Amino acid sequence: DIQMTQSPSSLSASIGDRVTITCRASQSISNYLNWYQHKPGKAPKLLIYAASTLQSGVPSRFSGSGSGTDFTLTIINLQPEDLATYYCQHVHSIPLTFGGGTKVEI
Amino acid sequence: QLQLLESGPGLVRPSETLSLTCTVSGDSISGGPYSWGWIRRPPGKGLEWIATFYYTGPTFYNPSLKSQVTMSVDTSRNHFSLKVTSVTAADTAVYYCARQFVVPGTADNWFDPWGQGIMVTVSS
Repeated sequence: DIQMTQSPSSLSASIGDRVTITCRASQSISNYLNWYQHKPGKAPKLLIYAASTLQSGVPSRFSGSGSGTDFTLTIINLQPEDLATYYCQHVHSIPLTFGGGTKVEI
Repeated sequence: QLQLLESGPGLVRPSETLSLTCTVSGDSISGGPYSWGWIRRPPGKGLEWIATFYYTGPTFYNPSLKSQVTMSVDTSRNHFSLKVTSVTAADTAVYYCARQFVVPGTADNWFDPWGQGIMVTVSS
């Protein structure tokens, strides 16, 4: 199985900050990497697919980059509504696996 | 607008079978290139993919759960289901269903949208 390691597991930031979350795959996954945002009590929401493509309707302050084994989710100009846990997910092969999550606190 | 709604028991006794249903509204589950999946999140842990029914026909399971779970699709009722047999405390989780978009001819796919989730507790 491909293991996905996210860091940090949690972070505290201020409104307007730039936040960077990293995700590392245990083997190369090309760009088969998605990012989700999960707010408490809500349905997880797709932010980015194929490593860097912003899902329709997602604010442009979110961006993704990377390929191979190392990926990054960046949030610029952090907003109060960005309080959530963020997960990366690889879709390179079965089983699909998620990172452990990064909780963003403001 | 596509919506997914999970339903089922909130409490299941150890060793029993958990049955969950995901009812889809706003779109037909029989059309490609959409597939349908189940994911869960145990308390204090991250997300775990359980199974996907691909629109081309096969169903894929997480090998770690394959002996315990069965996914089925009922296109006449526009819903799909998950059965988890011989449940233990380790199966306590919020269970989510989601539509899975698969890019034809590639491995590219993603879950969108997701249901709100249903909390299932395994306890006597």
